[in-house]
Amino acid sequence: AQSVTQLDSHVSVSEGTPVLLRCNYSSSYSPSLFWYVQHPNKGLQLLLKYTSAATLVKGINGFEAEFKKSETSFHLTKPSAHMSDAAEYFCVVHSNFGNEKLTFGTGTRLTIIP
Amino acid sequence: NAGVTQTPKFRVLKTGQSMTLLCAQDMNHEYMYWYRQDPGMGLRLIHYSVGEGTTAKGEVPDGYNVSRLKKQNFLLGLESAAPSQTSVYFCASSPRAGAPYEQYFGPGTRLTVT
Repeated sequence: AQSVTQLDSHVSVSEGTPVLLRCNYSSSYSPSLFWYVQHPNKGLQLLLKYTSAATLVKGINGFEAEFKKSETSFHLTKPSAHMSDAAEYFCVVHSNFGNEKLTFGTGTRLTIIP
Repeated sequence: NAGVTQTPKFRVLKTGQSMTLLCAQDMNHEYMYWYRQDPGMGLRLIHYSVGEGTTAKGEVPDGYNVSRLKKQNFLLGLESAAPSQTSVYFCASSPRAGAPYEQYFGPGTRLTVT
């Protein structure tokens, strides 16, 4: 079984300050983990993915995430928020054992304050 | 390449009416998926297909049917719409199973059942 918990439903940061979106996962097998972003009235776009290579993963638009097995976490960070980062972010887990299904977190809405 | 496209973008149905949502992808992907997105619940898998002519149930299949007659198309049908099916529906595709490949999402269809 696999599950993912996004610890904050809403995060607000000022433009130019760091962003931290938190995600914890549970998986019976070595997981693959993803962060997707959804801008208003748009589909989901892949930000980054972890697939058991480097634990620090860099994605698009300056985002990165660190896989910490001991903490079962995969938090998303960005050093300096931009207005265009305002969106909904989803943490997603994929269990690498004969199962192509993704399990989505409930999402974190990121608001950027000018 | 258009990627993943969905038709229609918006639809309003009365209870008991039927409709079909069309998903098309031009990336020659094997796998296709239908999700629904409801507030505070992330994305939930309705049905998926591992190849032309095959379909399988996801997490919330009741009230929906699907067909994959051509590799590039995946249809989602509602035979008798209910207000509980008011949601945003997303189609996605991925290149193959058994590997942590990301899914590519369409822009969504917003369905309201009155």
